[in-house]
Amino acid sequence: DTAVSQTPKYLVTQMGNDKSIKCEQNLGHDTMYWYKQDSKKFLKIMFSYNNKELIINETVPNRFSPKSPDKAHLNLHINSLELGDSAVYFCASSLRGSKSEAFFGQGTRLTVV
Amino acid sequence: GESVGLHLPTLSVQEGDNSIINCAYSNSASDYFIWYKQESGKGPQFIIDIRSNMDKRQGQRVTVLLNKTVKHLSLQIAATQPGDSAVYFCAENMAGGADGLTFGKGTHLIIQP
Repeated sequence: DTAVSQTPKYLVTQMGNDKSIKCEQNLGHDTMYWYKQDSKKFLKIMFSYNNKELIINETVPNRFSPKSPDKAHLNLHINSLELGDSAVYFCASSLRGSKSEAFFGQGTRLTVV
Repeated sequence: GESVGLHLPTLSVQEGDNSIINCAYSNSASDYFIWYKQESGKGPQFIIDIRSNMDKRQGQRVTVLLNKTVKHLSLQIAATQPGDSAVYFCAENMAGGADGLTFGKGTHLIIQP
């Protein structure tokens, strides 16, 4: 069983399009995250979402929006895609307050052309 | 803002040797630290963690050392194997943990046969 799964694994799209990446976790965690990994492998938090509390990294453009239909899902919507959005996006989950590790999905490689 | 960083971008060791990967952090409020391993095409995978009230923690072939005085974290891998080849990240989490992990830049560990 995959603990944190995200789809699609690869996404190629044109500039200006709107796209979504889905994420699901079956670990019973109460907090989910989206991270962006750039071409230099640097990982940076974009959002954390816990029980309808959204914490946004201030550097994330408002074209990016997380949507959580329930505790097990946190999808990432991106509007008006730009070339600079090309990266690998990782979903993760953890138990807030337990000081335990976050579990990561396999990543979605987004390429904007 | 404050961030976690790594001293060496690439580390090459002979198979069977021990390796040490270093990490400097600057946020004195951080109370939880994790080492992740990321293989090509995969998401970060938990290796070992340590809380700020400890200075050493051992796992299977891995040891994490925490020196709060100089804000230094290290990962020791004993008897390295080809499967240890990956990018290793240290990450920190401040008290509360709702805003996710702050990652260092990553060290690429290469195991030479």
